[in-house]
Amino acid sequence: GAGVSQSPSNKVTEKGKDVELRCDPISGHTALYWYRQSLGQGLEFLIYFQGNSAPDKSGLPSDRFSAERTGGSVSTLTIQRTQQEDSAVYLCASSSTSGGRDTQYFGPGTRLTVL
Amino acid sequence: GENVGLHLPTLSVQEGDNSIINCAYSNSASDYFIWYKQESGKGPQFIIDIRSNMDKRQGQRVTVLLNKTVKHLSLQIAATQPGDSAVYFCAETPFTGKLIFGQGTTLQVKP
Repeated sequence: GAGVSQSPSNKVTEKGKDVELRCDPISGHTALYWYRQSLGQGLEFLIYFQGNSAPDKSGLPSDRFSAERTGGSVSTLTIQRTQQEDSAVYLCASSSTSGGRDTQYFGPGTRLTVL
Repeated sequence: GENVGLHLPTLSVQEGDNSIINCAYSNSASDYFIWYKQESGKGPQFIIDIRSNMDKRQGQRVTVLLNKTVKHLSLQIAATQPGDSAVYFCAETPFTGKLIFGQGTTLQVKP
């Protein structure tokens, strides 16, 4: 596609429910990243996928958070037993090569609201 | 932990004036820096980047300056336009993969 796409654009859920957020990176990009942005704040790194390497999960805030990347393309971020503090915009980005020195292109984000 | 911070949360400028947005970083190992622009309801958009072996880089109407001595980064926007109104983030990467973002500066352009 022309850019990084994410779905859904908005998600409202009840506390305790599980949610799945999807990211479609730019075609051909080998690196994919998830970030979280709370209201009025900067972006917080969550997880990074690079090719077939083991993902860097060091930013995941708890074991309720997990992510997969299937076939080196689409990624799903899953949050289990959601809490109100999980409410934020979840942003996905992709870049063309490894090394963290290439421009990360961001999707529009998924706004998650946990009631 | 390491952090990248911005000096001013909000900057208000007159249309046509130049804007300067500042950023401090604390990780001396960082060797790549990026400025992003984020408009309401959208993801961050790449503006310009600079590597640590440079101290200045120019783009279209934008210039990034890097002072490694004092760990300071700035974004200069020439002839600021209403369309420049957004939140601007600086980001650093001290190692592969992660970008460490600052809190953001809101730029308001007055007509």
